Amino acid sequence: QVQLQESGPGLVKPSQTLSLTCTVSGGSISSGNYYWSWIRQPAGNGLEWIGRFYTRGSTEYNPSLKSRVTISVDTSSNQLSLKLNSVTAADSAVYYCARAPRGGSDPFDFWGQGTLVTVSS
Amino acid sequence: QSALTQPASVSGSPGQSITISCTGTSSDVGGYNYVSWYQQHPGKAPKLLIFDVGNRPSGVPGRFSGSKSGNTASLTISGLQAEDEANYYCTSFTSSSPYVFGTGTKVTVL
Repeated sequence: QVQLQESGPGLVKPSQTLSLTCTVSGGSISSGNYYWSWIRQPAGNGLEWIGRFYTRGSTEYNPSLKSRVTISVDTSSNQLSLKLNSVTAADSAVYYCARAPRGGSDPFDFWGQGTLVTVSS
Repeated sequence: QSALTQPASVSGSPGQSITISCTGTSSDVGGYNYVSWYQQHPGKAPKLLIFDVGNRPSGVPGRFSGSKSGNTASLTISGLQAEDEANYYCTSFTSSSPYVFGTGTKVTVL
């Protein structure tokens, strides 16, 4: 069974870069026909898709965040990473990584537990 | 891309049926049969309930069902149970992005 675990600093200063890692176990992040996504949820609010990496090597981003986001994969460590630059308080949220089998809705079938990131000086 | 519109809250008594709507446009919900639904309990990660409008992953109880008409998708919970009290989110493929989420609906079991 695939498991995902997010990690990274819980506190980031405004204007700096938020960097998170998602470690995948129980399967290879570079095999199969899957998308690996980052999704966030501000406290008390709804979900927002940030972007995804496809096992065949392509990336896609939410148009509203595209200018600030980079998603990449380290296949040797089986990790997905997220970098979001020029952060503000509005970027404070629980950040999730999730897997989606490619096809149809590309639904998220496995999720990490989430990691809380607060943007504050 | 604007979030899909869901009612903020829906409630029902145990055993009753409730329906949660998810309204978008012809560029998302209405244009594709790529709607999914997720259940999220407080402090937990979302869980997939429905994909491709009306398909259930294995392990999801049959009391959860999905449908779509025009620009509105719906999630119906039949035979409501106490454990169904949670937040529910829809998501759809869109013409400009693979996903847009709904605003979320809090389900209360009376």
